[in-house]
Amino acid sequence: SQQGEEDPQALSIQEGENATMNCSYKTSINNLQWYRQNSGRGLVHLILIRSNEREKHSGRLRVTLDTSKKSSSLLITASRAADTASYFCATGLNDMRFGAGTRLTVKP
Amino acid sequence: ETGVTQTPRHLVMGMTNKKSLKCEQHLGHNAMYWYKQSAKKPLELMFVYNFKEQTENNSVPSRFSPECPNSSHLFLHLHTLQPEDSALYLCASSQGGGEPQHFGDGTRLSIL
Repeated sequence: SQQGEEDPQALSIQEGENATMNCSYKTSINNLQWYRQNSGRGLVHLILIRSNEREKHSGRLRVTLDTSKKSSSLLITASRAADTASYFCATGLNDMRFGAGTRLTVKP
Repeated sequence: ETGVTQTPRHLVMGMTNKKSLKCEQHLGHNAMYWYKQSAKKPLELMFVYNFKEQTENNSVPSRFSPECPNSSHLFLHLHTLQPEDSALYLCASSQGGGEPQHFGDGTRLSIL
């Protein structure tokens, strides 16, 4: 099965700084997705990037995909305290597999 | 509001009890999922249903029994659980085929 692994496990930054999280996976993919989870809540889909795309933007989010390295990165620009959450990458079709996540803390 | 509702939000039960978790989606999706989220472990896919048919069973112990009576409802029947089954159980739905999943807020289950 495919499973993303996020790096770092935890990241603490000041408000206004950029946050970069990385994801590596093992096998070929059709797409890769990023999700966010606030404490005690369900996951929320952020962005989906297909295997033939290299970069995608959504508001303050920028996702890159390098299929040759089997890796993806999520960049959050101009971070806010409200961005504090865990972020997960996921790969797969019906059998979607998630990594252990990056815990992001944005200090006001 | 994600369009996926899970009840109850919290559940405490003894090891000999029988209980059920419920999930309902109002998004017209064809696929529904159960996940288990334990502390410091990746999200674990448990079951997948497509058009009410189970298409994935990720080696889940038989003390967990899913039921999908229609495309909008998904249940997880629990019996004779173990302390290590304490976790957050998340339900999700999607159009299937790797499309984005919409999650409920989960049921926090504690086994005494």
